[in-house]
Amino acid sequence: GQNIDQPTEMTATEGAIVQINCTYQTSGFNGLFWYQQHAGEAPTFLSYNVLDGLEEKGRFSSFLSRSKGYSYLLLKELQMKDSASYLCAVRGDGAGSYQLTFGKGTKLSVIP
Amino acid sequence: EAQVTQNPRYLITVTGKKLTVTCSQNMNHEYMSWYRQDPGLGLRQIYYSMNVEVTDKGDVPEGYKVSRKEKRNFPLILESPSPNQTSLYFCASSRDRGGDYGYTFGSGTRLTVV
Repeated sequence: GQNIDQPTEMTATEGAIVQINCTYQTSGFNGLFWYQQHAGEAPTFLSYNVLDGLEEKGRFSSFLSRSKGYSYLLLKELQMKDSASYLCAVRGDGAGSYQLTFGKGTKLSVIP
Repeated sequence: EAQVTQNPRYLITVTGKKLTVTCSQNMNHEYMSWYRQDPGLGLRQIYYSMNVEVTDKGDVPEGYKVSRKEKRNFPLILESPSPNQTSLYFCASSRDRGGDYGYTFGSGTRLTVV
């Protein structure tokens, strides 16, 4: 089975940096994804990690440590439009390698 | 434009009246899946399909049916809807089991069963 934990809510100030953590315990692992979801809308893909280390994509970076079952999403130079839920998702391996299991999401509020 | 299309976007129905939510993708993806999203519970998988005529249960399949007769379509069927199936539903598709493609999601269907 899969167990994915992330904080329920976070608040940060416009222009600042925020780190959203995700820990996971899974029966198989073939990649970790981060999605952004604005209220009432579809999730949209942000980043993917399958090897340990940091992946940087503009203002967003994602880190993975497979040995620790840990990932974080780093958002720099926060903007008001970054207020959204951020979903951590783990992809299984073998027969389950098509499947993504999602955490419950972290609701980020960016304040002026 | 590459996309996953769900219909309808909003639906209010009564208990016991059969309904179908359609999902279609134009990316020739093998894999398609249905999720429901509820406050405090996150996205939970209902059913998935790895290819035509190949479907399997996800984490919360009770009360739902699916079919995959052609690659592009993956409808979700509620034979006898109940109020506990009131939720936001998402269809998603994926190119293959490897790589950094992840899922492409449809816009969602907000279902209310009264």
